[in-house]
Amino acid sequence: AQKITQTQPGMFVQEKEAVTLDCTYDTSDPSYGLFWYKQPSSGEMIFLIYQGSYDQQNATEGRYSLNFQKARKSANLVISASQLGDSAMYFCAMRERNAGGTSYGKLTFGQGTILTVHP
Amino acid sequence: DTGVSQDPRHKITKRGQNVTFRCDPISEHNRLYWYRQTLGQGPEFLTYFQNEAQLEKSRLLSDRFSAERPKGSFSTLEIQRTEQGDSAMYLCASSLGGRDYSNQPQHFGDGTRLSIL
Repeated sequence: AQKITQTQPGMFVQEKEAVTLDCTYDTSDPSYGLFWYKQPSSGEMIFLIYQGSYDQQNATEGRYSLNFQKARKSANLVISASQLGDSAMYFCAMRERNAGGTSYGKLTFGQGTILTVHP
Repeated sequence: DTGVSQDPRHKITKRGQNVTFRCDPISEHNRLYWYRQTLGQGPEFLTYFQNEAQLEKSRLLSDRFSAERPKGSFSTLEIQRTEQGDSAMYLCASSLGGRDYSNQPQHFGDGTRLSIL
């Protein structure tokens, strides 16, 4: 089974509108972290926002917020007031504990969603 | 504050040749990760180090791939006897790591794009 699923290959939004990018995940570990990254056409991966599995409140970071629904295993990214510069590929990623349960290591990424912001 | 640096940015080589990439992490980061990304896909984990110790290596990683981080600072990723399927972007990332650093994001370099002729 896919650990991270992003079901929207592409999304379009009008400038200044809000947009939600979907992410569902699969893990049996009660302790994990969820990350969103942005990858513009230039290629660099830019960290946007983090949500821990035990965090009581949804994470927010400027125009980015995370709609975390733990029971549904979803961690959707909400971008408010979209800007032309938000056009990029967006990846959801999860970090789980290692086999020994002592540390957190690699990220497992979804396939990404291409967001296009129209003027 | 310098970010993660990767060299070279692009590498074009013939099938069967060996290639080596270098990654310099953010100086205070004790963890260093290597990922591979093909067009239209998310990055795929290859291996990671904490200081000089290689803590995990992907089971999908061929024996032709080897990575080192000899002094716990920069790292190299070598691919021997390259094949067409090795063509990809190779991304390096670094972070603070350990039991109390679960919320620390990984910061990525710009990547090395490998093209096999």
